[in-house]
Amino acid sequence: DGGITQSPKYLFRKEGQNVTLSCEQNLNHDAMYWYRQDPGQGLRLIYYSQIVNDFQKGDIAEGYSVSREKKESFPLTVTSAQKNPTAFYLCASSITGTGGLDTQYFGPGTRLTVL
Amino acid sequence: GQQLNQSPQSMFIQEGEDVSMNCTSSSIFNTWLWYKQEPGEGPVLLIALYKAGELTSNGRLTAQFGITRKDSFLNISASIPSDVGIYFCAGHLAGGTSYGKLTFGQGTILTVHP
Repeated sequence: DGGITQSPKYLFRKEGQNVTLSCEQNLNHDAMYWYRQDPGQGLRLIYYSQIVNDFQKGDIAEGYSVSREKKESFPLTVTSAQKNPTAFYLCASSITGTGGLDTQYFGPGTRLTVL
Repeated sequence: GQQLNQSPQSMFIQEGEDVSMNCTSSSIFNTWLWYKQEPGEGPVLLIALYKAGELTSNGRLTAQFGITRKDSFLNISASIPSDVGIYFCAGHLAGGTSYGKLTFGQGTILTVHP
Protein backbone atom coordinates (compact mmCIF):
# COMPACT_ATOMS: atom_id res chain seq x y z
CA ASP A 1 0.00 0.00 0.00
CA GLY A 2 1.17 3.53 -0.73
CA GLY A 3 1.51 5.89 2.18
CA ILE A 4 3.59 7.68 4.76
CA THR A 5 5.05 5.85 7.73
CA GLN A 6 6.52 7.32 10.87
CA SER A 7 8.40 5.47 13.54
CA PRO A 8 8.34 4.96 16.36
CA LYS A 9 4.77 5.75 17.43
CA TYR A 10 5.88 6.69 20.95
CA LEU A 11 9.34 7.85 21.97
CA PHE A 12 10.72 8.66 25.40
CA ARG A 13 14.03 10.40 25.92
CA LYS A 14 15.93 11.97 28.73
CA GLU A 15 16.46 15.69 28.76
CA GLY A 16 19.64 16.69 26.94
CA GLN A 17 19.64 13.78 24.50
CA ASN A 18 19.26 14.16 20.76
CA VAL A 19 16.60 11.98 19.16
CA THR A 20 15.79 11.21 15.52
CA LEU A 21 12.27 10.63 14.22
CA SER A 22 11.81 8.63 11.05
CA CYS A 23 9.53 9.48 8.11
CA GLU A 24 9.28 7.38 4.97
CA GLN A 25 6.94 7.70 1.98
CA ASN A 26 6.39 5.48 -1.05
CA LEU A 27 4.07 7.89 -2.86
CA ASN A 28 6.85 9.16 -5.13
CA HIS A 29 6.25 12.66 -3.78
CA ASP A 30 8.95 15.27 -4.24
CA ALA A 31 8.09 17.40 -1.21
CA MET A 32 8.13 16.44 2.45
CA TYR A 33 7.34 18.40 5.59
CA TRP A 34 7.67 18.20 9.38
CA TYR A 35 5.11 19.73 11.71
CA ARG A 36 4.81 20.01 15.45
CA GLN A 37 1.43 19.82 17.21
CA ASP A 38 0.85 20.86 20.82
CA PRO A 39 -2.40 20.23 22.73
CA GLY A 40 -5.21 22.51 21.63
CA GLN A 41 -3.15 24.06 18.86
CA GLY A 42 -2.91 23.82 15.13
CA LEU A 43 0.09 22.53 13.24
CA ARG A 44 3.31 24.52 13.07
CA LEU A 45 5.86 23.94 10.30
CA ILE A 46 9.37 22.95 11.41
CA TYR A 47 11.19 22.16 8.14
CA TYR A 48 10.27 21.33 4.57
CA SER A 49 12.04 19.89 1.57
CA GLN A 50 10.96 20.33 -2.03
CA ILE A 51 13.61 18.08 -3.53
CA VAL A 52 16.35 15.67 -2.57
CA ASN A 53 19.42 17.26 -0.95
CA ASP A 54 17.58 20.51 -0.31
CA PHE A 55 15.53 21.69 2.66
CA GLN A 56 14.37 24.95 4.19
CA LYS A 57 13.46 26.18 7.67
CA GLY A 58 9.82 26.57 8.53
CA ASP A 59 8.31 28.73 11.26
CA ILE A 60 9.84 26.98 14.29
CA ALA A 61 13.13 25.40 13.13
CA GLU A 62 15.26 26.30 16.15
CA GLY A 63 16.49 23.21 17.96
CA TYR A 64 15.69 20.87 15.06
CA SER A 65 17.68 19.52 12.12
CA VAL A 66 16.78 17.45 9.05
CA SER A 67 18.35 15.70 6.09
CA ARG A 68 17.00 14.65 2.70
CA GLU A 69 19.44 12.20 1.18
CA LYS A 70 16.74 10.09 -0.45
CA LYS A 71 13.41 11.01 -2.01
CA GLU A 72 11.59 8.56 0.23
CA SER A 73 13.06 9.65 3.55
CA PHE A 74 13.05 12.85 5.61
CA PRO A 75 14.30 12.20 9.16
CA LEU A 76 13.94 14.86 11.85
CA THR A 77 16.43 15.23 14.71
CA VAL A 78 15.25 16.94 17.86
CA THR A 79 18.40 18.31 19.48
CA SER A 80 19.14 19.20 23.06
CA ALA A 81 18.87 22.87 22.01
CA GLN A 82 15.10 22.52 21.62
CA LYS A 83 13.72 24.05 24.82
CA ASN A 84 10.38 22.26 24.93
CA PRO A 85 10.58 19.13 22.77
CA THR A 86 7.65 17.17 24.20
CA ALA A 87 4.99 17.22 21.46
CA PHE A 88 3.28 15.26 18.71
CA TYR A 89 5.34 15.32 15.50
CA LEU A 90 3.72 14.90 12.10
CA CYS A 91 5.37 14.26 8.78
CA ALA A 92 3.63 15.07 5.49
CA SER A 93 4.35 14.84 1.80
CA SER A 94 3.00 16.35 -1.39
CA ILE A 95 3.55 15.79 -5.08
CA THR A 96 5.53 18.87 -5.96
CA GLY A 97 5.56 21.29 -3.04
CA THR A 98 5.36 24.17 -5.45
CA GLY A 99 2.04 25.81 -5.07
CA GLY A 100 -1.58 26.08 -4.27
CA LEU A 101 -2.79 22.94 -5.98
CA ASP A 102 -0.42 20.72 -4.05
CA THR A 103 -2.29 18.78 -1.35
CA GLN A 104 -0.37 17.49 1.65
CA TYR A 105 -0.92 14.00 3.07
CA PHE A 106 0.08 13.17 6.62
CA GLY A 107 1.70 10.25 8.38
CA PRO A 108 0.36 8.77 11.65
CA GLY A 109 2.66 10.85 13.87
CA THR A 110 5.23 10.25 16.60
CA ARG A 111 4.58 11.32 20.17
CA LEU A 112 7.83 12.40 21.80
CA THR A 113 8.04 12.73 25.55
CA VAL A 114 11.16 14.13 27.15
CA LEU A 115 11.56 13.17 30.78
CA GLY B 1 2.45 33.95 11.37
CA GLN B 2 -0.76 34.14 9.43
CA GLN B 3 -3.63 32.43 11.24
CA LEU B 4 -6.96 31.16 10.17
CA ASN B 5 -9.84 31.79 12.54
CA GLN B 6 -11.69 28.52 12.90
CA SER B 7 -14.96 28.27 14.78
CA PRO B 8 -16.42 26.93 16.86
CA GLN B 9 -13.55 25.66 19.00
CA SER B 10 -15.66 22.72 20.16
CA MET B 11 -19.07 21.21 19.60
CA PHE B 12 -21.10 18.73 21.61
CA ILE B 13 -23.98 17.29 19.61
CA GLN B 14 -26.42 14.41 19.59
CA GLU B 15 -26.15 11.62 17.05
CA GLY B 16 -28.19 12.47 13.98
CA GLU B 17 -27.72 16.23 14.20
CA ASP B 18 -26.12 18.28 11.47
CA VAL B 19 -22.83 20.09 12.12
CA SER B 20 -21.40 23.25 10.64
CA MET B 21 -17.97 24.78 11.15
CA ASN B 22 -16.08 27.48 9.32
CA CYS B 23 -12.78 29.21 8.80
CA THR B 24 -12.21 32.86 8.02
CA SER B 25 -9.21 35.00 7.28
CA SER B 26 -8.40 38.58 6.43
CA SER B 27 -6.23 37.28 3.57
CA ILE B 28 -7.11 35.62 0.27
CA PHE B 29 -6.51 31.90 -0.17
CA ASN B 30 -5.94 29.91 -3.37
CA THR B 31 -7.05 26.60 -1.91
CA TRP B 32 -8.94 25.33 1.12
CA LEU B 33 -8.45 21.90 2.61
CA TRP B 34 -10.39 20.19 5.38
CA TYR B 35 -8.76 17.48 7.50
CA LYS B 36 -10.00 15.24 10.29
CA GLN B 37 -7.70 14.06 13.05
CA GLU B 38 -8.52 11.29 15.49
CA PRO B 39 -6.73 11.03 18.84
CA GLY B 40 -3.10 9.98 18.45
CA GLU B 41 -3.28 9.87 14.65
CA GLY B 42 -2.27 12.09 11.78
CA PRO B 43 -4.79 14.32 9.97
CA VAL B 44 -6.67 12.69 7.12
CA LEU B 45 -7.74 14.76 4.13
CA LEU B 46 -11.52 15.01 3.79
CA ILE B 47 -12.13 17.56 1.07
CA ALA B 48 -9.95 19.81 -1.11
CA LEU B 49 -11.32 22.99 -2.72
CA TYR B 50 -9.50 24.79 -5.52
CA LYS B 51 -11.87 27.44 -6.94
CA ALA B 52 -13.84 30.27 -5.39
CA GLY B 53 -17.48 29.28 -5.04
CA GLU B 54 -16.71 25.58 -5.38
CA LEU B 55 -19.05 23.32 -3.46
CA THR B 56 -17.84 19.74 -2.97
CA SER B 57 -19.34 16.75 -1.20
CA ASN B 58 -17.79 13.60 0.18
CA GLY B 59 -20.52 11.36 1.53
CA ARG B 60 -22.20 13.19 4.42
CA LEU B 61 -19.61 15.97 4.26
CA THR B 62 -20.02 19.14 2.21
CA ALA B 63 -17.51 21.99 1.99
CA GLN B 64 -17.51 25.29 0.14
CA PHE B 65 -14.79 27.69 -0.97
CA GLY B 66 -16.14 31.18 -0.21
CA ILE B 67 -16.68 33.62 -3.05
CA THR B 68 -14.43 36.20 -1.41
CA ARG B 69 -11.69 33.51 -1.13
CA LYS B 70 -11.34 34.47 2.53
CA ASP B 71 -13.51 31.78 4.06
CA SER B 72 -14.67 28.20 3.86
CA PHE B 73 -17.21 26.06 5.67
CA LEU B 74 -17.63 22.35 6.33
CA ASN B 75 -20.99 20.73 7.01
CA ILE B 76 -21.57 17.22 8.31
CA SER B 77 -25.08 15.87 7.96
CA ALA B 78 -26.72 13.26 10.18
CA SER B 79 -23.71 12.89 12.49
CA ILE B 80 -22.69 9.48 13.82
CA PRO B 81 -20.39 8.57 16.74
CA SER B 82 -17.41 7.89 14.46
CA ASP B 83 -17.47 11.53 13.36
CA VAL B 84 -15.76 12.34 16.67
CA GLY B 85 -12.39 14.03 16.23
CA ILE B 86 -10.69 17.33 15.53
CA TYR B 87 -11.46 19.01 12.23
CA PHE B 88 -8.86 21.37 10.76
CA CYS B 89 -9.14 23.80 7.93
CA ALA B 90 -5.99 24.68 6.01
CA GLY B 91 -5.18 26.73 2.98
CA HIS B 92 -2.56 28.08 0.63
CA LEU B 93 -2.29 31.87 0.82
CA ALA B 94 -2.59 33.76 -2.46
CA GLY B 95 0.67 35.50 -3.29
CA GLY B 96 2.46 33.45 -0.68
CA THR B 97 5.78 31.69 -0.92
CA SER B 98 6.61 29.54 -3.90
CA TYR B 99 6.39 26.30 -1.98
CA GLY B 100 3.23 24.60 -0.86
CA LYS B 101 3.10 26.04 2.66
CA LEU B 102 -0.20 25.43 4.38
CA THR B 103 -1.72 27.76 6.95
CA PHE B 104 -3.80 25.86 9.53
CA GLY B 105 -6.77 26.76 11.65
CA GLN B 106 -6.66 25.78 15.30
CA GLY B 107 -9.24 23.03 14.94
CA THR B 108 -12.82 22.26 15.95
CA ILE B 109 -13.23 19.46 18.48
CA LEU B 110 -16.38 17.49 17.69
CA THR B 111 -18.05 15.23 20.27
CA VAL B 112 -21.08 13.17 19.26
CA HIS B 113 -23.30 11.67 21.95
CA PRO B 114 -25.09 8.45 20.97
